[in-house]
Amino acid sequence: EADIYQTPRYLVIGTGKKITLECSQTMGHDKMYWYQQDPGMELHLIHYSYGVNSTEKGDLSSESTVSRIRTEHFPLTLESARPSHTSQYLCASSDPKTGGVYGYTFGSGTRLTVV
Amino acid sequence: QQPVQSPQAVILREGEDAVINCSSSKALYSVHWYRQKHGEAPVFLMILLKGGEQKGHDKISASFNEKKQQSSLYLTASQLSYSGTYFCGTESPGNQFYFGTGTSLTVIP
Repeated sequence: EADIYQTPRYLVIGTGKKITLECSQTMGHDKMYWYQQDPGMELHLIHYSYGVNSTEKGDLSSESTVSRIRTEHFPLTLESARPSHTSQYLCASSDPKTGGVYGYTFGSGTRLTVV
Repeated sequence: QQPVQSPQAVILREGEDAVINCSSSKALYSVHWYRQKHGEAPVFLMILLKGGEQKGHDKISASFNEKKQQSSLYLTASQLSYSGTYFCGTESPGNQFYFGTGTSLTVIP
């Protein structure tokens, strides 16, 4: 059973709107990540965090921001949604204290459609 | 930087075997393997941490050739439940982690 939760599961919004995708995990993992993935395609890293007050940009970060005020919470904000943002957004976490031996745990994702 | 997987897609009949390869242009610390079923999130299968390591459970196993900067995933006696897209993930010096290009695997009766 997943211990990382994303809301909303599906979202349809208009162009220019500001949106925040929520991600929470109950595993106490320090590392968290946001990925963008089109159906059946590659995963592209948007942002990641090593812990509280730590955020880093990935390859697709230019149009979004993240924050990490609490270990368990890592929201992603799109300041002005565009049709090109239509995609699936996956949140993941990992525990560096275990040396990564359990890999990444992913949330169920948010399917975003911008009209 | 992104590891390349081959083949891009494969179709198998139940009971057949498959090999999925993952190649990186960078030195590797570790290799992960994930399976993603249609409409779902990727699920972690296994991690290989040392060159020469081989690991597996059930009929899915993997190897890691550190010198060649490659890993292979072996699926034997495939089942319908093995269908999905398989991704490798590689960690390189500097803690850079990238998912591979993906391999779509379809098992038919």
